[in-house]
Amino acid sequence: AQRVTQPEKLLSVFKGAPVELKCNYSYSGSPELFWYVQYSRQRLQLLLRHISRESIKGFTADLNKGETSFHLKKPFAQEEDSAMYYCALWGYSTLTFGKGTMLLVSP
Amino acid sequence: DAGITQSPRHKVTETGTPVTLRCHQTENHRYMYWYRQDPGHGLRLIHYSYGVKDTDKGEVSDGYSVSRSKTEDFLLTLESATSSQTSVYFCAISAQGAGANVLTFGAGSRLTVL
Repeated sequence: AQRVTQPEKLLSVFKGAPVELKCNYSYSGSPELFWYVQYSRQRLQLLLRHISRESIKGFTADLNKGETSFHLKKPFAQEEDSAMYYCALWGYSTLTFGKGTMLLVSP
Repeated sequence: DAGITQSPRHKVTETGTPVTLRCHQTENHRYMYWYRQDPGHGLRLIHYSYGVKDTDKGEVSDGYSVSRSKTEDFLLTLESATSSQTSVYFCAISAQGAGANVLTFGAGSRLTVL
C-alpha cells in the first residue's frame, strides 16, 4: 500500500521567512511525487513534480529516497503563498494524497 | 477552463435520496477520477476509470457507484445519500503514460446531505 504523510496541519510564518512543508511517503516501487496547491476558492492545481526538478513560484522540492521524503521549500515566503498544500504519490494508476498542510503567511 | 467541468457545483439533499454528480471532459483523456475532500482527511479516492466501461474502486468506495458510458463523461452516484457523504467532490482527468502522470482537477461539487 502507498501512503503519504504530512505531519503539519497548519504552518504559520511571517512574510520573508523561510518555509518548509514536510512530506514523507511509503511505497514499495520507484516513487513519483508531486506537490499540489489549492488557493482559496480555486481548484487544485499542480505546483511541481520531482521528475521535473524545477522551481515554481520560488518553491523547490527534492526527493530523498533514503529518508523517503519530499519536502517543499521556499527561502522567502510571500503573502500570496497562503494556501493549502498537498503532497501526492503516484502509484498503481492513481494519485494518493496526504492530508494537506495549510500555509498562512502573515504580513 | 482546463477542459473539465463538474455539475452541479452545489447541491443540498436529504438523507436517503439518490444523487448523481457529473464530470465532463473535452481533453479525450483515458483516465478519470472521483475524489472527496474533507477537513483533516485531505483528498481520498472514491473510484476511477481507465476507459469506457472500465472502472475500479478507490480507498473510500462504499456507498458510491460510478459509470462511464463514453470517454467524456464520468458519473458518480450516491444511491442513498447519508450525512457522512457531505463533502466536496472533485473530478480529475489524466492522460497517463510516460511523463504524463499529472491530474487536472475540476472546480469541485459541494454536496450537503441533511
